[in-house]
Amino acid sequence: GQQLNQSPQSMFIQEGEDVSMNCTSSSIFNTWLWYKQDPGEGPVLLIALYKAGELTSNGRLTAQFGITRKDSFLNISASIPSDVGIYFCAGRQIQGAQKLVFGQGTRLTINP
Amino acid sequence: KAGVTQTPRYLIKTRGQQVTLSCSPISGHRSVSWYQQTPGQGLQFLFEYFSETQRNKGNFPGRFSGRQFSNSRSEMNVSTLELGDSALYLCASSQKTAGGDNEQFFGPGTRLTVL
Repeated sequence: GQQLNQSPQSMFIQEGEDVSMNCTSSSIFNTWLWYKQDPGEGPVLLIALYKAGELTSNGRLTAQFGITRKDSFLNISASIPSDVGIYFCAGRQIQGAQKLVFGQGTRLTINP
Repeated sequence: KAGVTQTPRYLIKTRGQQVTLSCSPISGHRSVSWYQQTPGQGLQFLFEYFSETQRNKGNFPGRFSGRQFSNSRSEMNVSTLELGDSALYLCASSQKTAGGDNEQFFGPGTRLTVL
């Protein structure tokens, strides 16, 4: 099935470091979303982006909707242990539709 | 407000059997979507139900089906199970008001293992 290209696949960082991950696609998306999934749980929505060029923050998280509408990035500043988990980007191609296309995820590991 | 609930949380079946998974959306949410999550394929959209009607369907065989009840609760069914159907099945609900991009809230999933 269709998927977004998410990178990196995994990251090993020290507590306090900043993190950056991104998603790209060959197709245009109208909405970009970033989710975090903890073990044994479903994905939790972190940030939603609806307009090309939009830059949105949620605490230490910042995400941007690419100008071309084919990419998005997520930054986490000053990482803490609870940031550990798998981060997924997701896109919606049709406004109002519920179908989401997901990236393969970025597994974040933090060394205290 | 209670979140999306899915039952059962874990299930073990054998090849050829069929299985039914249940999802109760957040109160007031009328749209329910189902996703399959596997290590190899990641998160893949199965289908979406709104007002008891299937609105959208992913690229899965006809063995995968679903339905939605008048109270917005949804079930998905997989018939003639195959080993490759082993996965985490996630349900997500949203308000889906007219003209809006109402985002989805996911349940904890049902872990299906096919032996």
